[in-house]
Amino acid sequence: NAGVTQTPKFQVLKTGQSMTLQCAQDMNHEYMSWYRQDPGMGLRLIHYSVGAGITDQGEVPNGYNVSRSTTEDFPLRLLSAAPSQTSVYFCASRRGTPIDREFFGPGTRLTVL
Amino acid sequence: AQTVTQSQPEMSVQEAETVTLSCTYDTSENNYYLFWYKQPPSRQMILVIRQEAYKQQNATENRFSVNFQKAAKSFSLKISDSQLGDTAMYFCAFKNYGGSQGNLIFGKGTKLSVKP
Repeated sequence: NAGVTQTPKFQVLKTGQSMTLQCAQDMNHEYMSWYRQDPGMGLRLIHYSVGAGITDQGEVPNGYNVSRSTTEDFPLRLLSAAPSQTSVYFCASRRGTPIDREFFGPGTRLTVL
Repeated sequence: AQTVTQSQPEMSVQEAETVTLSCTYDTSENNYYLFWYKQPPSRQMILVIRQEAYKQQNATENRFSVNFQKAAKSFSLKISDSQLGDTAMYFCAFKNYGGSQGNLIFGKGTKLSVKP
């Protein structure tokens, strides 16, 4: 099992550009989520999904879109990047019940100039 | 809404000594888990230890143990015989599992430096 994979590892964007951060898992996990990590702020939930076709907002959803067309993939889209979105982004997955533990991807460091 | 507070932004400890990281949380729920995650410079999030709220016994994992005080809503992490490889950010996290989606809520983290 590859676990949770994220691409790219690093990305630099200009303000206004769009891009998609990719997240995939091969563990057949129903629940997937995206977090951003900023210095001094911990990890904050952006969006999450409890299964294919179902997504919901977390604590900081503004400026981000998600979709979940398959169980394996949960991409995060930035439609018009802003410097405030400079951060490290983590994807996580787990089985369907909250009792199960999360598995985290290696993270993507995004810089918006 | 649940919140997690880590009041120590940075700590340091000498190799082989013991250090305790503090965490408090606020919730009105009864069914929840508490976690400590380690994030070394590699950036990978590593689960250190987990505590179920309904269990009175404190969880332990080798050199890592917790002091779970449910009434005080306190969940501290004790690292014994500190090693250089323990140098990392440590995050306390909360997850409610009674009738909710069970999203993880993180504290702001404590940066631990282990000195030789």
